[in-house]
Amino acid sequence: EPEVTQTPSHQVTQMGQEVILRCVPISNHLYFYWYRQILGQKVEFLVSFYNNEISEKSEIFDDQFSVERPDGSNFTLKIRSTKLEDSAMYFCASSWAVRETQYFGPGTRLLVL
Amino acid sequence: GQQVMQIPQYQHVQEGEDFTTYCNSSTTLSNIQWYKQRPGGHPVFLIQLVKSGEVKKQKRLTFQFGEAKKNSSLHITATQTTDVGTYFCAGRGNQFYFGTGTSLTVIP
Repeated sequence: EPEVTQTPSHQVTQMGQEVILRCVPISNHLYFYWYRQILGQKVEFLVSFYNNEISEKSEIFDDQFSVERPDGSNFTLKIRSTKLEDSAMYFCASSWAVRETQYFGPGTRLLVL
Repeated sequence: GQQVMQIPQYQHVQEGEDFTTYCNSSTTLSNIQWYKQRPGGHPVFLIQLVKSGEVKKQKRLTFQFGEAKKNSSLHITATQTTDVGTYFCAGRGNQFYFGTGTSLTVIP
């Protein structure tokens, strides 16, 4: 069964450093998403991406965040200058259409020191 | 802003007992989705409800979407240890919001 993959599984970084989280969505999906989940809390929507542009973003997704689909397979989330409060699990998801099932990747656990 | 709350936050049940989690939105939702997240895992899609008053069943799981499309519920009949995890509702109002989740523990 096709699945969403994410790399790395864990990332430790110093405050102020840039990180790039990578995702490979399911190949025939058209919509891509990033979510974050602070430990023990709910899943929070960050951004959705369709047709090579952001279709929707939350108030969390400020200027320090950016997304990109640099080639036909990868979908990346960049955090420009990490803060302690960016420590969380970051999930990528993809779906065939905007209101269809979203398939989540296994997540990247980011720890900012 | 839009909020999606779930109650209870935690639920411990004996294996074989029933379990229900309730999802309430501050705004009308165009659809509601339910996800299950096992400890240490990622959310896994369970079902989507779209119509007002819709009820769907998956084996021991029954999902309901309220008439006003502002609330939903998930009921599990005769829980099993494999049902352990956190159940999230997620709905689309102005944006797509996940609920606060209900963590289910099943005691064998």
